[in-house]
Amino acid sequence: EPEVTQTPSHQVTQMGQEVILRCVPISNHLYFYWYRQILGQKVEFLVSFYNNEISEKSEIFDDQFSVERPDGSNFTLKIRSTKLEDSAMYFCASSEQGGLGQPQHFGDGTRLSIL
Amino acid sequence: DQQVKQNSPSLSVQEGRISILNCDYTNSMFDYFLWYKKYPAEGPTFLISISSIKDKNEDGRFTVFLNKSAKHLSLHIVPSQPGDSAVYFCAAGGSDYKLSFGAGTTVTVRA
Repeated sequence: EPEVTQTPSHQVTQMGQEVILRCVPISNHLYFYWYRQILGQKVEFLVSFYNNEISEKSEIFDDQFSVERPDGSNFTLKIRSTKLEDSAMYFCASSEQGGLGQPQHFGDGTRLSIL
Repeated sequence: DQQVKQNSPSLSVQEGRISILNCDYTNSMFDYFLWYKKYPAEGPTFLISISSIKDKNEDGRFTVFLNKSAKHLSLHIVPSQPGDSAVYFCAAGGSDYKLSFGAGTTVTVRA
């Protein structure tokens, strides 16, 4: 069964450094998402992406965050200058279509630890 | 974000019996609801969904019930199996395509 893959599984970075989290969505999917889960908290929506542009973003997704689809298969989340509070599990998801009950399929996540 | 609530952090059930997980929501603009299952060190896995125009959806051992007037949904797993032990998340979405998640319920199926 096709799946969303994320790399790396664990990223340790010094505060203030840039980090790029990578995702390969399911190949025929058109909608892409990033979520995060801070330890002990809920899974939170960050951003959705369709047709090479952001379609929705949360208040968490400030100017320090950016997303890109650099080629036909990868979808990346960049955090420009990491803060301690960015430490979390980051999940990438994709769906064949948007909304209307189309399930979003999640990767296994990247654990980001900011020191 | 308190729009989706799972008030039971944990549930323990005997193997073979029914597991019932509950979820409440506050946003009447949600038009579809999903349940995800999550094992440690893995991402959420989609289980089953329901549109707001329906009140029941069934897929094998999993059935989701939606009560729109009460803004409440539930997931029934019958019969429960040891492999069902996991964290279950309720999620809701609307026209903006983003999902709002509950805090999760940890299910333990006892042999």
